Amino acid sequence: VELEESGGGLVQPRGSLRLSCTTSGFIFRNYEMSWVRQAPGKGLEWISYIGDSGSTIHYADSVKGRFSISRDNARKSLFLQMDSLRPEDTAVYFCARQKRGVTRFGVTGPYFDYWGQGTLVIVSS
Amino acid sequence: DIQMTQSPSSLSASVGDRVTITCRTSQSISNYLNWYQQKPGKDPKVLIYAASTLQSGVPSRFSGSGSATHFTLSISSLQPEDVATYYCQQSYGLPWTFGQGTKVEIK
Repeated sequence: VELEESGGGLVQPRGSLRLSCTTSGFIFRNYEMSWVRQAPGKGLEWISYIGDSGSTIHYADSVKGRFSISRDNARKSLFLQMDSLRPEDTAVYFCARQKRGVTRFGVTGPYFDYWGQGTLVIVSS
Repeated sequence: DIQMTQSPSSLSASVGDRVTITCRTSQSISNYLNWYQQKPGKDPKVLIYAASTLQSGVPSRFSGSGSATHFTLSISSLQPEDVATYYCQQSYGLPWTFGQGTKVEIK
């Protein structure tokens, strides 16, 4: 299983950027996916989720209305369109595969079982 | 949003010591609690999911317990390769939230 993010870089405030996450080693269309970010020296923040078919999408309030998640199952790829960027969006952005486990108590809640190495986005003038 | 509070924020222990990290949530989340390890400059790795289930390939010195609002991650015998920051994360309700992290160092 491999996930590789790309598309990060330096962008001015109020600018846009599109991140990509290319995957291999698993049947991409069968898995839910998320984006998680980490500001420099800070903790992890989940920002967006997309279901396996792409029909179910959720966002954290911090990015709602500015970011848009999508996927192309034929290309085994996940995307994050980021508009109206702010300095506080500066972070490493990880794509992560989600999985639900099975224990003797039943199906578990989702967890992130594979992550990419991350791509750095810097929002600064 | 469900608030996650980890303690301590950092700890220093000797090789071979037992280490315990606590995660408390602002509301009951049953067992919808996951633990991750992140080494400097690397992506996080899942250690424990559903509060106590060890992810495949993770050393058995790691264990998790708890339910409702109180959870713990334990390392039975701290090893040099365990130097990392550890995060709890709830998957009970959106937005999924992480604890602030616990940095583990070797004394």
